[in-house]
Amino acid sequence: AQSVSQHNHHVILSEAASLELGCNYSYGGTVNLFWYVQYPGQHLQLLLKYFSGDPLVKGIKGFEAEFIKSKFSFNLRKPSVQWSDTAEYFCAGTGAGSYQLTFGKGTKLSVIP
Amino acid sequence: DSGVTQTPKHLITATGQRVTLRCSPRSGDLSVYWYQQSLDQGLQFLIQYYNGEERAKGNILERFSAQQFPDLHSELNLSSLELGDSALYFCASSGRTGGYEQYFGPGTRLTVT
Repeated sequence: AQSVSQHNHHVILSEAASLELGCNYSYGGTVNLFWYVQYPGQHLQLLLKYFSGDPLVKGIKGFEAEFIKSKFSFNLRKPSVQWSDTAEYFCAGTGAGSYQLTFGKGTKLSVIP
Repeated sequence: DSGVTQTPKHLITATGQRVTLRCSPRSGDLSVYWYQQSLDQGLQFLIQYYNGEERAKGNILERFSAQQFPDLHSELNLSSLELGDSALYFCASSGRTGGYEQYFGPGTRLTVT
């Protein structure tokens, strides 16, 4: 079965620290991967997406993610977090020809000023 | 603002009742998706409609149904409500750009008492 897993439930960082949130997927064949962010009380916003091509994808707000096929991973990174990055981050994926998003459980990020 | 609108924002109702949630997709998007977000199950795909037709079904209960109208707005009907149906219900849309990315609405928070 297709699945997406996120390793960390809650991450606490100080401002200016570097961030890496783990995401692993289990899909046969082609996969499309996404990171979404949900700020407190708000809807899900698309941070970045990977369909094919360059495995290093850049998104909004200085976030990037690297698709590593051999490790079935799509980790989210940011070199220096800000207090405003406090939010919940969701990794999600779809299989080839499918539009149904399968979400990970989410990682709550708290950034301390 | 993603361009996807949902009404109502909050809904409080009693067990056994029936409610209807409404979603208007982004202008030009033909696909509408419904997701349920709960503390124990996380974000789960319920159902997809494309240009008025059901395209895919996920973990949607038989008590739940949906439809997409000719103007492309969609409604999710939840009947015989149980306490466990309390959750955030998100609508998303896609298709305008031809890609797989989905844009989410602000959600409807359903509380069943």
